[in-house]
Amino acid sequence: DSGVTQTPKHLITATGQRVTLRCSPRSGDLSVYWYQQSLDQGLQFLIQYYNGEERAKGNILERFSAQQFPDLHSELNLSSLELGDSALYFCASSGTGANYGYTFGSGTRLTVV
Amino acid sequence: AQKITQTQPGMFVQEKEAVTLDCTYDTSDPSYGLFWYKQPSSGEMIFLIYQGSYDQQNATEGRYSLNFQKARKSANLVISASQLGDSAMYFCAMRTFGSSNTGKLIFGQGTTLQVKP
Repeated sequence: DSGVTQTPKHLITATGQRVTLRCSPRSGDLSVYWYQQSLDQGLQFLIQYYNGEERAKGNILERFSAQQFPDLHSELNLSSLELGDSALYFCASSGTGANYGYTFGSGTRLTVV
Repeated sequence: AQKITQTQPGMFVQEKEAVTLDCTYDTSDPSYGLFWYKQPSSGEMIFLIYQGSYDQQNATEGRYSLNFQKARKSANLVISASQLGDSAMYFCAMRTFGSSNTGKLIFGQGTTLQVKP
């Protein structure tokens, strides 16, 4: 167990639907990062939150949104799903200061049919 | 712009031999960190090794070592005495520590390593 918990592990849904992916960071980590891994795009950075605030945005579609709650868990919301959104979605967390370690969750495998 | 390039989509190595996975990077920030991750077929991302741009020595972690050549902007991963369990996808990644840094990791496209018995 890496300490970063992602749920669900697998998700199958139809086009046009909306899903929510959840991430609980490692204890003490304030930063949460979301990544999308698809076969043809590699690991793409989507968005980062730090202590509840959005810190950086990557190639995140307008149909996607995220937030980090006061207890530091984060949710990634994907709406109007398309076949091309099928991917492995990772959450990672990191500490501050000299702790450069990033810990990844086991990922949520999303299949859009 | 920051970029990580892994030019080897796939590699084969014989069990017990050493293998080098290539990684080159590009950044104008003088302070940065380089990471290698392993992703087995089960999908999880496993941290292997870290090298800071100001570290004088090449990083080592067990059978993993990082051949850091700053002038060439390369950070190759060397795996010694390959084992069957080393068969996986390997990603090189970078973060910067400059004023605009957010802490996000930028990844290369990955290299698939297959260890032959």
